[in-house]
Amino acid sequence: NAGVTQTPKFQVLKTGQSMTLQCAQDMNHNSMYWYRQDPGMGLRLIYYSASEGTTDKGEVPNGYNVSRLNKREFSLRLESAAPSQTSVYFCASNRHLNTEAFFGQGTRLTVV
Amino acid sequence: DAKTTQPNSMESNEEEPVHLPCNHSTISGTDYIHWYRQLPSQGPEYVIHGLTSNVNNRMASLAIAEDRKSSTLILHRATLRDAAVYYCILRGPDSWGKLQFGAGTQVVVTP
Repeated sequence: NAGVTQTPKFQVLKTGQSMTLQCAQDMNHNSMYWYRQDPGMGLRLIYYSASEGTTDKGEVPNGYNVSRLNKREFSLRLESAAPSQTSVYFCASNRHLNTEAFFGQGTRLTVV
Repeated sequence: DAKTTQPNSMESNEEEPVHLPCNHSTISGTDYIHWYRQLPSQGPEYVIHGLTSNVNNRMASLAIAEDRKSSTLILHRATLRDAAVYYCILRGPDSWGKLQFGAGTQVVVTP
């Protein structure tokens, strides 16, 4: 039982490049989330998906897009990376909106 | 969304109890109080949650004030592994989809 798996673990991008961060969970959870965490700061919600087929904006959605591909997978896309998007990105999931959430180990992204 | 207020940091000696306060004076009747913690270089992990009654699990206890405007997370015997940032979060019908984190409390445990 792997829980929440994020790929890649590390990535360096040049300004203007695009990439997709992948997240998959094997717990049959309904809700999934994407967060970013800048150095010394708390987590900020980018987007979330309350259930398969739905997505909603969080606190800091600008510059990102998401896709809830199926119940297991929730991807985060940066269309044109900027240095301000240098951060650690965390994916999370939970069964229902008010139950325990499980987090992945994070993707450390650097945009130069 | 109802907000929470936590101290920036707290220190404790190993094997002593730690009491982490959280103020949430604008909490609504349907808001649950959740606690998560984040160890260095890891993703957050769930600790405990409750609505009105005090709650216990293998990791910690949650004491909720009678008026629900504050709560306290209790680590009964701190270990070095408990050094982390602890987040107090309110989740209710208006915010269940968002699981939003504040700044949290940095707990330092000294041997």
